[in-house]
Amino acid sequence: DAKTTQPPSMDCAEGRAANLPCNHSTISGNEYVYWYRQIHSQGPQYIIHGLKNNETNEMASLIITEDRKSSTLILPHATLRDTAVYYCIVRVRQNYGQNFVFGPGTRLSVLP
Amino acid sequence: GAGVSQSPRYKVAKRGQDVALRCDPISGHVSLFWYQQALGQGPEFLTYFQNEAQLDKSGLPSDRFFAERPEGSVSTLKIQRTQKEDSAVYLCASSYDTGFTQPQHFGDGTRLSIL
Repeated sequence: DAKTTQPPSMDCAEGRAANLPCNHSTISGNEYVYWYRQIHSQGPQYIIHGLKNNETNEMASLIITEDRKSSTLILPHATLRDTAVYYCIVRVRQNYGQNFVFGPGTRLSVLP
Repeated sequence: GAGVSQSPRYKVAKRGQDVALRCDPISGHVSLFWYQQALGQGPEFLTYFQNEAQLDKSGLPSDRFFAERPEGSVSTLKIQRTQKEDSAVYLCASSYDTGFTQPQHFGDGTRLSIL
C-alpha cells in the first residue's frame, strides 16, 4: 500500500495562499491522490483528487509532480474557516472496496 | 441534496451495554463504509458494503462489532458488550458507485463514550 507523508502542522496568514505538501513516493500507476479536510467535530470533507494531471475546482488546486511521487494542495486565498486537519490519501484498491487509509494529516492553522 | 446522516450524534453507554449506530447514506449511493476515529488520529476503516452485501469486514476489531445494511440503504453498526476502548467517533461514508475514482462523502459521525 502506498503511504503518504505530510508535515504535522502548518500556519498560514489569512488571505494568503496555503500550500500543503504530501509525499507519496511508493504510489503505483493506477492509484489516485485524494485530499480531504476535517474541521473539528465534523466528518472529513472531500476537497479534490487527481491521477497525474493538475486539477482545480472551486475549493482548491492540486499539483502533482511529473514522477507522481509528491503533490501539493493549494488553497489560493486562505480564510479562518480553512483551519482544519488536511489529509492526503492514496486510494488503495483492496478486495472489493476501495477504502481510504488515513494518516495523521497536517493541521493547518489560518492566522488573522 | 441531503448528505450522509448519522444518529445519534452522541451516545454514552456503560461498559457491557450494547449500542447501535445508524447511518443514512446519500440516496442512490451503492457503496457504504464505516470508519472508527480515535481522538487525535485519522479515521480507520472498519467495513464496506456494496448495496446489501458486506464485502469487506477486515477492519472490525473484534466479533463484538457487527454491521448490516439489509435493504442496501440504511446501515447499522452494532457493538455488543461495549468496552472502554470502544470510545471513539464512528464515521459513515457513502459513494455513488464502486468506481475507483468516486469520492466518499462522510457524515459527521457518532461520538461514542463508554463509561
